[in-house]
Amino acid sequence: EIVLTQSPGTLSLSPGERATLSCRASQSVSGSYLAWYQQKPGQAPRLLIYGASSRATGVPARFSGSGSATDFTLTISRLEPEDFAVYYCHQYGSSPCTFGHGTKLEIK
Amino acid sequence: EVQLVESGGGLVKSGGSLRLSCAASGFSFKSYSMNWVRQAPGKGLEWVSSISSSSIYVNYADSVKGRFTISRDNAENSLSLQMNSLRAEDTAVYYCAKEGDWSSYDNSGSPWGYFDIWGRGTLVTVSS
Repeated sequence: EIVLTQSPGTLSLSPGERATLSCRASQSVSGSYLAWYQQKPGQAPRLLIYGASSRATGVPARFSGSGSATDFTLTISRLEPEDFAVYYCHQYGSSPCTFGHGTKLEIK
Repeated sequence: EVQLVESGGGLVKSGGSLRLSCAASGFSFKSYSMNWVRQAPGKGLEWVSSISSSSIYVNYADSVKGRFTISRDNAENSLSLQMNSLRAEDTAVYYCAKEGDWSSYDNSGSPWGYFDIWGRGTLVTVSS
């Protein structure tokens, strides 16, 4: 199965700054079938990005996804206070689908 | 409103059984593959099982294969997960998740997709 490695494990930034989160796959993710989710404490995950770069309905434009094959990135252009959360990548191009272990984005 | 509501979680002893349910509303349930994803306390997300729209394709994580059974009732807009031979390591919040519109397909033809709608989850605690 494909192992997804997210880095960094924790990212400390201030509101207004740019956040860059990485997700590296142990094998190429076919079709760029990669998604990103945001999870806040006590809540279910929320879909942000699918197909590596397509924003889900209602997701603000400050969230963008990029990458292909084994290297993918989630960028938050200017952090808002509500963006501090845990972010997971998820590949669904190979069976079984797998998740990364998450990046915690915390307020500096 | 598109909604998924899980139920059936609780405290069970190791070796016991539990049946989770997920009630879907606000979308054409029969048209989408559905999944169960779990999250152990303080840990990350783990995919558990999936079922295609017409129940032709069913998949399980190795960690639950042979112990868990996924099923769906399209007439009732419901998804279920029968969990047998439960272990302490099965303790987690179990989420029901709907797949999105764009899927990949493996060599057997089974669809795999991203999860665009999630329920709030139901907690399963297995005591040893």
